[in-house]
Order: sequence, then structure tokens, then C-alpha cells
Amino acid sequence: QKEVEQNSGPLSVPEGAIASLNCTYSDRGSQSFFWYRQYSGKSPELIMFIYSNGDKEDGRFTAQLNKASQYVSLLIRDSQPSDSATYLCAARGNAGNMLTFGGGTRLMVKP
Amino acid sequence: DAGVTQSPTHLIKTRGQQVTLRCSPKSGHDTVSWYQQALGQGPQFIFQYYEEEERQRGNFPDRFSGHQFPNYSSELNVNALLLGDSALYLCASSLELAGPTGELFFGEGSRLTVL
Repeated sequence: QKEVEQNSGPLSVPEGAIASLNCTYSDRGSQSFFWYRQYSGKSPELIMFIYSNGDKEDGRFTAQLNKASQYVSLLIRDSQPSDSATYLCAARGNAGNMLTFGGGTRLMVKP
Repeated sequence: DAGVTQSPTHLIKTRGQQVTLRCSPKSGHDTVSWYQQALGQGPQFIFQYYEEEERQRGNFPDRFSGHQFPNYSSELNVNALLLGDSALYLCASSLELAGPTGELFFGEGSRLTVL
């Protein structure tokens, strides 16, 4: 069974710190990886996606992918209280483009 | 440029009833996927529609069915509702040509409560 695993948290960081969110996946056929932010009661909002090994930066966010270790991470620099949300990691395969989600990590940024 | 739109946003049904949820994909997208998100969990894939056909299906019973129209919009139907069907139902759209590295956007969801 294809799985995506995340620590459910909560991960608590002070305002201005770097938040590091991690995700592992079991299916080596996964082609791309997505990070979504989800506020309580709202739908997932795409932050960024990555499909090549290495780092991809977008503003305060950096996604990191290591296919050999089957590991994906999201770094949030200069964390703000507004970043407090659940972060969902998802893996996408080659067939049909369906996403397999982890259970999400709850991030709390304290002022 | 309109994003993914879903309707209704909230609805309440009783056990045994049937429900239809609707989705219009983001402009330019041709593929629609449906996900179910129970409280406190990540979304679970229900099925995907492309060229008006169900292309891939997750581990959901036949009570869950769908349809895609020529304008790429889609419906999700759930028959014989159970209490466990209470969840946020999410529609996601993407472009087939972009393949597995293309973006995938979600609508605001339809929150279904079954009493």
C-alpha cells in the first residue's frame, strides 16, 4: 500500500524562527511532491511542489526532495503566527496523477 | 481567472439519502479529481475523471459515483448515505498535458453532514 507519513505534531516554533516539516513516502514510483497549507475548516492551499532532487525556494518557503531516502521536507523561514495551520504533504504517481496524502502536521507559531 | 468552484458549500442529509456535489475546474484544466477528507485526517482519493470517463478510482464503494460533462465540470454522487460519509469533499483540477509534475488546485470544498 502506498503511504505518505507525517508527524502529526503539533510543532511549536517561536515567531521569526525556521519551521521544518518532514514527510516520507513509500512508493518509489512517485513523480512529484506537493505541500499544501490548510487552515481549520478550509480547503488545502497549494504552497509549492517539487519533482527534482534538491531544493526549491519560493519566498519564505523551501521544499527539499531526496528520492534516494524517499524524504521530502518544507522549511518556513521567518515563521509568522499566520503560518499556524496544518501542512499536508502529498505524493503523486505516474499513473492517473492521483495524490496520496499524509495525515498532516499541525504547526503553531507563537508570537 | 476563476479557480476551482464547488457547490453547495454546506449541506445536511439523513442516513439513507442521496447527495450530489458539483465542481467546475479552474479555467484551462481538463481533469477533475474528488477527495474525501474526514475530520483530522488527510484527503483520501475517491476517483478521477478525464475525457468524461472515470480513469482511476480509490478504495471507495460503488455508492460513490461521478460524472464529467463536456465542459469539464463534474458531479459526485453518493447514494445510501452513512454517518461515516460525513466529511469535507474536495474537488481538484489539473491539466492532463502537464502530467504528474503539473499543478493541482483544490476548490473550497463541500462539507457534508449526515445525521
